[in-house]
Amino acid sequence: EIVLTQSPGTLSLSPGERATLSCRASQSVSNNYLAWYQQKPGQAPRLLIYGASSRATGIPDRFSGSGSGTDFTLTISRLEPEDFAVYYCQQYDSSPVTFGQGTKVEIK
Amino acid sequence: QVQLVQSGAEVRKPGSSVRVSCKVSGGTLSGYVISWVRQAPGQGLEWMGGIIPALDTEKYSQKFQGRVTITADASTSTAYMELTSLTSKDTAVYYCARGGWELLHYFPYWGQGTLVTVSS
Repeated sequence: EIVLTQSPGTLSLSPGERATLSCRASQSVSNNYLAWYQQKPGQAPRLLIYGASSRATGIPDRFSGSGSGTDFTLTISRLEPEDFAVYYCQQYDSSPVTFGQGTKVEIK
Repeated sequence: QVQLVQSGAEVRKPGSSVRVSCKVSGGTLSGYVISWVRQAPGQGLEWMGGIIPALDTEKYSQKFQGRVTITADASTSTAYMELTSLTSKDTAVYYCARGGWELLHYFPYWGQGTLVTVSS
């Protein structure tokens, strides 16, 4: 099983600042089969990025994904008020599909 | 627009079973994977398994193997997840999610979630 470790656990930032979230895999994720989701309280997750760097439909370009192998990053270039949420990475390279434990981006 | 609509909240006693449904509208059920992901209170996301109805193929997480069954009815565009031998640790919100054409996939579409509470 591929274990995904996200860091930091909590990120305290102000609107307009840049957010950098990390996702490290316990073994290489082939084909960059890594996705990122945003989840707000009481809502289902929302797909942001797939294939490590491809933005999902309707996702603003302030969200970007990068990385390969075992190290992946989600960057939010300028935080908007609606971006404060929990973010999860997910690998779909091997079974079982696994998620990271999440990074909470909170208002400083 | 693809929408996934799940059945309502359930309360079950320990040792019993629960079945949650997920109706797909605005798109086909058959050619795509429907997976189930759960989230315990205050916790992260956990994949349980998935099915590709057109291929009648399923894959389950080892953690739930033997306790979970995922099925689909193409005639009603509805997928189902049944979980047996419930314990309090199964209290969670259960989501269905539609992916692509492979059993292991990312999920652009999600249901609204179904809260299952296991309590004596």
